[in-house]
Amino acid sequence: GNSVTQMEGPVTLSEEAFLTINCTYTATGYPSLFWYVQYPGEGLQLLLKATKADDKGSNKGFEATYRKETTSFHLEKGSVQVSDSAVYFCALTIIQGAQKLVFGQGTRLTINP
Amino acid sequence: ETGVTQSPTHLIKTRGQQVTLRCSSQSGHNTVSWYQQALGQGPQFIFQYYREEENGRGNFPPRFSGLQFPNYSSELNVNALELDDSALYLCASSLVGLAGNEQFFGPGTRLTVL
Repeated sequence: GNSVTQMEGPVTLSEEAFLTINCTYTATGYPSLFWYVQYPGEGLQLLLKATKADDKGSNKGFEATYRKETTSFHLEKGSVQVSDSAVYFCALTIIQGAQKLVFGQGTRLTINP
Repeated sequence: ETGVTQSPTHLIKTRGQQVTLRCSSQSGHNTVSWYQQALGQGPQFIFQYYREEENGRGNFPPRFSGLQFPNYSSELNVNALELDDSALYLCASSLVGLAGNEQFFGPGTRLTVL
């Protein structure tokens, strides 16, 4: 089946630290991969995406590279800010009739000043 | 450009009751998907509507049903509510087509079943 596994949270870092949130996936076919972010009390916002192997998605200092050989899409940021505190979801999308997103369980990130 | 909107924001129901949640798609989008997000979990796909018909469904029982209207707005109906239906319900709109097409999410409706 299709599934996404994220590193266990919560993750707590100091401001300006380096961030990595691991994400691996299992999928039939060739999925597109996404990172979504959810701020407290809000819905999901797309952070970045990659649609084929070796693509790198980037936005707001965050990056992730679609690695087909390791079935991974790890999220990285070189220097985190307090405003990056949120829950981060890795997801893949497949088309089986419907175009549906399959999400990981989420990783809660807290950045301390 | 108006984003995805959902109503109501919060809702409290009792077990056995029925509920209707509403969603307005982002302008220009023709596909609506609904997701259920239990506390501390990732969203789970309920179903998707395209051209006013359901074109895919996740692992949810038939008491979860929906509608899509000609203006692409949508409703999610849940009958015979159970305690486990307590969750954040998210609506997302998109353009049907490539798997890389982004789904744009609304702020969600928080449903509490007592």
